[in-house]
Amino acid sequence: NAGVTQTPKFRVLKTGQSMTLLCAQDMNHEYMYWYRQDPGMGLRLIHYSVGEGTTAKGEVPDGYNVSRLKKQNFLLGLESAAPSQTSVYFCASKNARGARREKLFFGSGTQLSVL
Amino acid sequence: ILNVEQSPQSLHVQEGDSTNFTCSFPSSNFYALHWYRWETAKSPEALFVMTLNGDEKKKGRISATLNTKEGYSYLYIKGSQPEDSATYLCAFLYRDDKIIFGKGTRLHILP
Repeated sequence: NAGVTQTPKFRVLKTGQSMTLLCAQDMNHEYMYWYRQDPGMGLRLIHYSVGEGTTAKGEVPDGYNVSRLKKQNFLLGLESAAPSQTSVYFCASKNARGARREKLFFGSGTQLSVL
Repeated sequence: ILNVEQSPQSLHVQEGDSTNFTCSFPSSNFYALHWYRWETAKSPEALFVMTLNGDEKKKGRISATLNTKEGYSYLYIKGSQPEDSATYLCAFLYRDDKIIFGKGTRLHILP
């Protein structure tokens, strides 16, 4: 069972470069989320999606874009990376069927460094 | 206001002792409260999802209570063991499907 898979696991970027992080889930979940984890800050919500073709902003959306063209994939893009975006990025998904009773399933994270 | 607070930030507990920590959240428009356990170098894993005022959930030595009217939840660990060392996160589910996390309580079990 793959669950939630994030690629890549590690990446080093130079300031100004762009990249896309991929989150793929094989559980047919409707809801998908992108978080960033920084020391002392817990998990902060960047963007989320409640279904194919829909996205919404979270707590810290600036500098990121997202797309949900297929139900199983949620892409997080950095158009022009900045050192402040150095972080560990986690993707999570959950089922819509039980709505508020459903828990999140997390990927293993992507460690991104921007020099 | 997206405000989920956890206390304490860090906690050291002797092996065998019991402990508890707090999550506070907006008391209006409550939808659901999650607890997750996050071990170092792993991903967060769900412990409980709580949806009703007065809910009590239990999983082995770990239990949680929920008070939606006053906006808090307690997580209890009975007879702490070394494997309980982790960061415990609570998360508040808003009606627009945002899930906002607190900063976590880092628990260290001392042998």
